[in-house]
Amino acid sequence: QVQLVQSGPEVKKPGASVKVSCKASGYNFGDYGIYWVRQAPGQGLEWMGWISGYNGNTKYEEKFQDRVILTRDRSTTSAYMEFGGLRSDDTAVYFCARGKNMAELRNTFDVWGQGTQVTVSS
Amino acid sequence: DIVMTQSPESLVVSLGERATIHCKSSQSVLYNSNNKNYLSWYQQKRGQPPRLLIYWASTRESGVPDRFSGSGSGTDFTLTISNLQAEDVAVYYCQQYFNLPLTFGGGTKVEIK
Repeated sequence: QVQLVQSGPEVKKPGASVKVSCKASGYNFGDYGIYWVRQAPGQGLEWMGWISGYNGNTKYEEKFQDRVILTRDRSTTSAYMEFGGLRSDDTAVYFCARGKNMAELRNTFDVWGQGTQVTVSS
Repeated sequence: DIVMTQSPESLVVSLGERATIHCKSSQSVLYNSNNKNYLSWYQQKRGQPPRLLIYWASTRESGVPDRFSGSGSGTDFTLTISNLQAEDVAVYYCQQYFNLPLTFGGGTKVEIK
């Protein structure tokens, strides 16, 4: 079945970086984009960025573009989010999600990873 | 940015009754060239990722029970849960994908009376 499986929880100190992975299976990885969405404790959903599964093109939400790098590896059907300059208010669950419409950037999300808890604390 | 405003923030409904959630966008999400509203609804249960329920404002995702329905166009949208079941307790979010950045509503918590 189509699924996205993310890496485990992380605890980081302020100023550090974190890299979260998202392993895709059950579909042709190159046909769909992967999106990253975060959710702070008790809060709503916030889109962070997109990476094309096909060619690795990226698009970032403006507030994250100086601190986030999205990459992907077609050989392992995995996507990665590296987030630097972590602050306490970056403590959140980070989700990867598949865009439902192939080859579209403006998209809805039909498959989600289980989420990765990132805690930033001194 | 398109701001998505949901109402109410929370809703308490009896089993078997109807729950109605509203979502308003700060600008139209109707794309005239294809007459589609770029609006989705998600359900998020505690400790789980969101689940896509509705896209194009009114198209039910595969496997979603038909008690969930979406309606509306332009800037005003509604998610209706008919015959509310215990397993429908969750937070519901709308999302626009008309423009970047992709944005979500603040969520509506549905509980059982």
